[in-house]
Amino acid sequence: RKEVEQDPGPFNVPEGATVAFNCTYSNSASQSFFWYRQDCRKEPKLLMSVYSSGNEDGRFTAQLNRASQYISLLIRDSKLSDSATYLCVVNRDNYQLIWGAGTKLIIKP
Amino acid sequence: SAVISQKPSRDICQRGTSLTIQCQVDSQVTMMFWYRQQPGQSLTLIATANQGSEATYESGFVIDKFPISRPNLTFSTLTVSNMSPEDSSIYLCSVFGGGYTFGSGTRLTVV
Repeated sequence: RKEVEQDPGPFNVPEGATVAFNCTYSNSASQSFFWYRQDCRKEPKLLMSVYSSGNEDGRFTAQLNRASQYISLLIRDSKLSDSATYLCVVNRDNYQLIWGAGTKLIIKP
Repeated sequence: SAVISQKPSRDICQRGTSLTIQCQVDSQVTMMFWYRQQPGQSLTLIATANQGSEATYESGFVIDKFPISRPNLTFSTLTVSNMSPEDSSIYLCSVFGGGYTFGSGTRLTVV
């Protein structure tokens, strides 16, 4: 089993819809969780950190479920510009991160 | 967050040759990280570079193949040595500061 697993997609979603995807992790000792966004042929960029209590940033909501060992990302009112690959990142120890392979999201007009 | 300048952005190299990738950070950072991302794959950590000490390599990566320099707190290089087509990938440097910031990546094609 991979340390961090994501559904590769692609998720094809109409503009304006709400989309959510999950990421499961295997290391119960993990403390830091992030969602990154990667556009085609670009470097990953931090979208948001994921806090234990859940957090929201505009149209984006991130949640952590420690009991089931997954994090989620919810995107409301999706825009064409949200089309990208979303990478789930979990720490293994103090600084070492484990990256998911990403979920590809395609927003259609 | 830090701003990283990475170069070259892309290169096409002959097998058997070496390529050195440079990353310059606009602030001093203790640790810099070098990643590889193969097409459709997740990022894989190659090594962690601390200033003034040997880089720490992950399983499957060795210093002879990927020598790293870290002469000061704002600069690092990664060399991909004796390249083969299997080394074709995107190479990224990264630093941590409230989340990881990445260089723009080097797209390497070995022919």
